[in-house]
Amino acid sequence: AQTVTQSQPEMSVQEAETVTLSCTYDTSESDYYLFWYKQPPSRQMILVIRQEAYKQQNATENRFSVNFQKAAKSFSLKISDSQLGDAAMYFCAYYNAGNMLTFGGGTRLMVKP
Amino acid sequence: EAGVAQSPRYKIIEKRQSVAFWCNPISGHATLYWYQQILGQGPKLLIQFQNNGVVDDSQLPKDRFSAERLKGVDSTLKIQPAKLEDSAVYLCASRRRDVSYEQYFGPGTRLTVT
Repeated sequence: AQTVTQSQPEMSVQEAETVTLSCTYDTSESDYYLFWYKQPPSRQMILVIRQEAYKQQNATENRFSVNFQKAAKSFSLKISDSQLGDAAMYFCAYYNAGNMLTFGGGTRLMVKP
Repeated sequence: EAGVAQSPRYKIIEKRQSVAFWCNPISGHATLYWYQQILGQGPKLLIQFQNNGVVDDSQLPKDRFSAERLKGVDSTLKIQPAKLEDSAVYLCASRRRDVSYEQYFGPGTRLTVT
C-alpha cells in the first residue's frame, strides 16, 4: 500500500520569506501523480500544485514550486514571498490510476507578520 | 461553475443517535468520494462512487456507515448509531470522468458526537 509521510507537523515563516514543506512517499509504481493541497481554517481543500511522475521538470504555480526527487521518493513544496493568506494546513497526496488518493498527515503553516 | 456543495456544515449529536450528510457534486462529475478527516490528520477515503455504483468501499465501517448515490448525482452518507470516535469532518469530493487525478472538495461537515 502507498504511504505518504509529512515529517513536519508545524512550520513557521516570516511574511515575505520562503518556506519549504517536506513530503516523502512510498510506492512501487512508476506512473503516478503527486499533489499539494491547502486547507485553510474554513476547511475547503484546495489544490495548490500537481506533479506528474513521468515529468522531470518540477511544477511551478506562481509563488509555489515543488522539488520532485523520484528516486528518493521525495516531493517538497516551496512557497516564496509568503503571505498571511498562505497560513493553512498543507497536505501532500499521492494518486495513481486504480487506487485511492492517499494523504499525508499534514503540516500546519503559520505566517508571521 | 458551482463547486461541491455539502450540508449541513455542522452537526452535534449524542452517541448512539443517527446522522446523515448530503453532497451535491459539480455538475457532470461522474465520480464522487466521501472522506473522513479526524482532527489533526489527513483525509481518509470512506467510499468512492462511479455514477450510482460503488467502486471502492473497503474502508467504510459497514456495520454503522452507509452511503448511496441514487440517480448518479447527489449522495448521502449515514451513520447509525454514532460513536464518539466518529467525531470528524466529512468531506465530499468529485471529479470529471476524463481527468482521473483532479478531485474537487466540498467545504465539509463537522460532526461532533458527545
